[in-house]
Amino acid sequence: EDQVTQSPEALRLQEGESSSLNCSYTVSGLRGLFWYRQDPGKGPEFLFTLYSAGEEKEKERLKATLTKKESFLHITAPKPEDSATYLCAVQVPRGAQKLVFGQGTRLTINP
Amino acid sequence: GAGVSQSPSNKVTEKGKDVELRCDPISGHTALYWYRQSLGQGLEFLIYFQGNSAPDKSGLPSDRFSAERTGGSVSTLTIQRTQQEDSAVYLCASSLAHRGDTQYFGPGTRLTVL
Repeated sequence: EDQVTQSPEALRLQEGESSSLNCSYTVSGLRGLFWYRQDPGKGPEFLFTLYSAGEEKEKERLKATLTKKESFLHITAPKPEDSATYLCAVQVPRGAQKLVFGQGTRLTINP
Repeated sequence: GAGVSQSPSNKVTEKGKDVELRCDPISGHTALYWYRQSLGQGLEFLIYFQGNSAPDKSGLPSDRFSAERTGGSVSTLTIQRTQQEDSAVYLCASSLAHRGDTQYFGPGTRLTVL
């Protein structure tokens, strides 16, 4: 069964304190792994797509990496505006090509 | 260009009433998805439209849920005889439809069933 597990569920950091969020997945034939950011009351905002193990992508203070079993979202020197829920999803390579989401990591950056 | 738009942003209804939720995808995107986000459940797939093909309804939780897409663009999700467990945020996403293409989400409709 296609499954995505994110950890931790919640993370509190001080401004400037770097850390990583984890996304473990089980899917037969990964089509793509997606990271989204979601602010309260809003829809998910696209961050990155990773397609193959070893791939890395960066955007400002965020860097996403991918292995055959998991992905990490590294946050370097975060700022309070980075506070949000970060969602990981894998695309199922069958039928509707739907996204299977993890439960998300709620990140809070304290000033 | 404009992103995915959804209306209404909030909907409060009474148990047993029917509701319609609307999604306007990004222009040129042929694939359209509906997801539901409930507290403690995360996002779950409901239905998928691709061009003029028959929709994939495999995620619809019951026959009270239906959706249509007119002219390959705007989509409407209809929930008949709403129940309290239908309360959730309903999210629409669209993509160019090629495998691996990014799905871009709208702001969602928050449905509350009293």
